[in-house]
Amino acid sequence: EIVLTQSPATLSLSPGERATLSCRASQSISTYLAWYQQRGGQAPRLLIYDASNRASGIPARFSGSGSGTDFTLTINGLEPEDFAVYYCQQRTNWPPVLTFGGGTKVEI
Amino acid sequence: QLVESGGGLVQPGGSLTLSCAASGFTVSNSYMTWVRQAPGKGLEWVSTIYSGHGNDAYHADSVKGRFKSSRDNSKNTLYLQMNSLRGEDTAVYFCARGPYGSRMLDHWGQGTRVTVSS
Repeated sequence: EIVLTQSPATLSLSPGERATLSCRASQSISTYLAWYQQRGGQAPRLLIYDASNRASGIPARFSGSGSGTDFTLTINGLEPEDFAVYYCQQRTNWPPVLTFGGGTKVEI
Repeated sequence: QLVESGGGLVQPGGSLTLSCAASGFTVSNSYMTWVRQAPGKGLEWVSTIYSGHGNDAYHADSVKGRFKSSRDNSKNTLYLQMNSLRGEDTAVYFCARGPYGSRMLDHWGQGTRVTVSS
């Protein structure tokens, strides 16, 4: 089973600053990685898929990069609504198992 | 849009069936997934049912043999039948869609809460 490790667990920043979130896979997953945002009490929302593609309607301040085992989600110029928990996720080809990282909380 | 229902309070060892009604797309052409989130915890994959694979469904080891995912194409609805429920199954259960052939989940329901307690 592929394990995704996110760091840091908590990121304390101010509005306008840049957030850099990391996700490391226990083995290579090429670019098959997605990022989600979850605001308090809400369902997760897809931000990035295939490591670097923004989902529909996602602002340009969100960007993803990486391949293999190391991935990064960058948020340039934090807006108040960006303070939330972020998860990375992958799915193996066979068996088709999904795994999520433990999450990074971006707090003020 | 995805709308879950069927959550509630159930005793340990009991059963519950969750539903997820889809609109705006067809579940038969999508990869439909259940994800749960225990109170104060992260996201945990529960199961995925794939289109084009004879309705093959795959389940996490933590629920294998107790939970079963299925779909009714005529109702455009996904189900999760949960048996032998345990306290550690207490969570909000989300259904989510992945486009055919993809590895992402691009639409999520609002979730339904399941509490297993005596």
